[in-house]
Amino acid sequence: QKEVEQNSGPLSVPEGAIASLNCTYSDRGSQSFFWYRQYSGKSPELIMFIYSNGDKEDGRFTAQLNKASQYVSLLIRDSQPSDSATYLCAVTGGGNKLTFGTGTQLKVEL
Amino acid sequence: EADIYQTPRYLVIGTGKKITLECSQTMGHDKMYWYQQDPGMELHLIHYSYGVNSTEKGDLSSESTVSRIRTEHFPLTLESARPSHTSQYLCASSQHRASGANVLTFGAGSRLTVL
Repeated sequence: QKEVEQNSGPLSVPEGAIASLNCTYSDRGSQSFFWYRQYSGKSPELIMFIYSNGDKEDGRFTAQLNKASQYVSLLIRDSQPSDSATYLCAVTGGGNKLTFGTGTQLKVEL
Repeated sequence: EADIYQTPRYLVIGTGKKITLECSQTMGHDKMYWYQQDPGMELHLIHYSYGVNSTEKGDLSSESTVSRIRTEHFPLTLESARPSHTSQYLCASSQHRASGANVLTFGAGSRLTVL
């Protein structure tokens, strides 16, 4: 079992819809959870991070964390074609080690 | 705007050559990292450093070596490049936020092709 699991996609959503990206992790001791966006051929850039159960909102993005279910998600409201990218989930576990998932490719269609 | 710089951005080199990928950051971050990423694939940590004169190997075995003589500089060296080293190499640095979260900032990457 991988430490951080994501569906590779592609996930296709129409413009203006809500995109829902999911991530599960195996280490119950994980403390911080990150979402990075990576455009093709570019380096990852941080979207947001969360460390407490519940929701955290930043503009059109909402991160949701459920530690009991070992599940973190990212919602993108009013999806735009510019949101088309690969979204990487990353988790910090023991020793402050950061582990990335393989990423979910999102395609926002006109 | 990220203050972490990688050079060269692109390098095409023959087998057996020695190469050094440079990484510098101006943010005063103690922690620095090297990741390797093939197209469409996940990021693999190959080296990290928590401060000057501190270097550790990451999760993915790599024939490369690193050094950390200055806080702002974390170069990666391949003594004898092989085609299997062809990949994208991403440097990152991080600081702990007040919340305790360790947030990484990535450089633009160095794409290495070994013929």
